[in-house]
Amino acid sequence: KNQVEQSPQSLIILEGKNCTLQCNYTVSPFSNLRWYKQDTGRGPVSLTIMTFSENTKSNGRYTATLDADTKQSSLHITASQLSDSASYICVVSAGEANFGNEKLTFGTGTRLTIIP
Amino acid sequence: NAGVMQNPRHLVRRRGQEARLRCSPMKGHSHVYWYRQLPEEGLKFMVYLQKENIIDESGMPKERFSAEFPKEGPSILRIQQVVRGDSAAYFCASSLATNPYFGPGTRLTVL
Repeated sequence: KNQVEQSPQSLIILEGKNCTLQCNYTVSPFSNLRWYKQDTGRGPVSLTIMTFSENTKSNGRYTATLDADTKQSSLHITASQLSDSASYICVVSAGEANFGNEKLTFGTGTRLTIIP
Repeated sequence: NAGVMQNPRHLVRRRGQEARLRCSPMKGHSHVYWYRQLPEEGLKFMVYLQKENIIDESGMPKERFSAEFPKEGPSILRIQQVVRGDSAAYFCASSLATNPYFGPGTRLTVL
């Protein structure tokens, strides 16, 4: 059964600090891994997407890593801002991605709260 | 180019009523996906459609739920005879081929 597990479930940090969120997955066949940011009451918004051959990808203050051997990924947020408060969801795709019929398996997310 | 649009954003129904959720994909996108998010849980795949065709409905309950994506107009997720357990956020996503973009969701509350 395809599964995506995230840790921690929730995290509170001071504004300006860095943090790292973890994702472990058992998804087969692996196609790609994405990190999404979901603000309360909104739909998920893509931050990064990595394929099997990529082990790091950055998007501004967000840096994602992927270790396909251990099936782990992390999302590192640098110099956090109040607007970073949201749920961060790890999503792993299986299947024939090129044909649109991706099967996305979602983690339950890490709820990040930035306090001033 | 407007993003994925969903309406209504909030929907309240009594047990036994019907719920209709609408999704207008991004312009040019022919792939539509519906997901359900229960409280404290991750999004769960329900159904994947292309214009006028259901490609994969493996995540959709066999009874009371149906989806369509007509040639003209939005995609519709229809839930008949709703029960309290149907209360959730329903997200639609659309894509050109891969990398879906998500709508803001419809929050369904069944009283």
